[in-house]
Amino acid sequence: SQQGEEDPQALSIQEGENATMNCSYKTSINNLQWYRQNSGRGLVHLILIRSNEREKHSGRLRVTLDTSKKSSSLLITASRAADTASYFCATSGNMLTFGGGTRLMVKP
Amino acid sequence: DADVTQTPRNRITKTGKRIMLECSQTKGHDRMYWYRQDPGLGLRLIYYSFDVKDINKGEISDGYSVSRQAQAKFSLSLESAIPNQTALYFCATSETSGRSFSYNEQFFGPGTRLTVL
Repeated sequence: SQQGEEDPQALSIQEGENATMNCSYKTSINNLQWYRQNSGRGLVHLILIRSNEREKHSGRLRVTLDTSKKSSSLLITASRAADTASYFCATSGNMLTFGGGTRLMVKP
Repeated sequence: DADVTQTPRNRITKTGKRIMLECSQTKGHDRMYWYRQDPGLGLRLIYYSFDVKDINKGEISDGYSVSRQAQAKFSLSLESAIPNQTALYFCATSETSGRSFSYNEQFFGPGTRLTVL
């Protein structure tokens, strides 16, 4: 069973808009990670947030973590067509467990 | 050169055949993983290894076996392939964490697309 569940499953926006993806999980974690996957390719690590952190930034990415609600969000600001990909959250507990992903399409 | 390589990149085989997927890494990481991804879904962990002498079952190990031949090499075998093992398979590596059950950033190979007819 998958620990993390992303919401929405698919998201379509215009270039320049912000994209927000959410991840919920069920058990306690050491950290939570976000990955990006271009179609049919390997995953690329974007950002890791530890369980004692609430917010983290990396370039146009902003990740929040609310351990009381067991949820995280990934915000991509000023989206570009090149951001089109699937985005996965992964929770670090006994294993690193991936959610089902959000498919993001950014229209030029 | 890629840090994590997988061979073959594509494979079509028949039911009942034995298949080996290979993974090599130049990152010097102790930890290696094998995942499976089905269309439209996330990754599921098949096996993982924290070092050369350590092999652990993941979420979906039935029908699969692994071998950690060296720090840099981790192979996945399907002893008798069946059609529902058709999927995209990824190898990944990570640095050792200070704690056993804490995982650092993982580095993924390009994947092997396996089709079992």
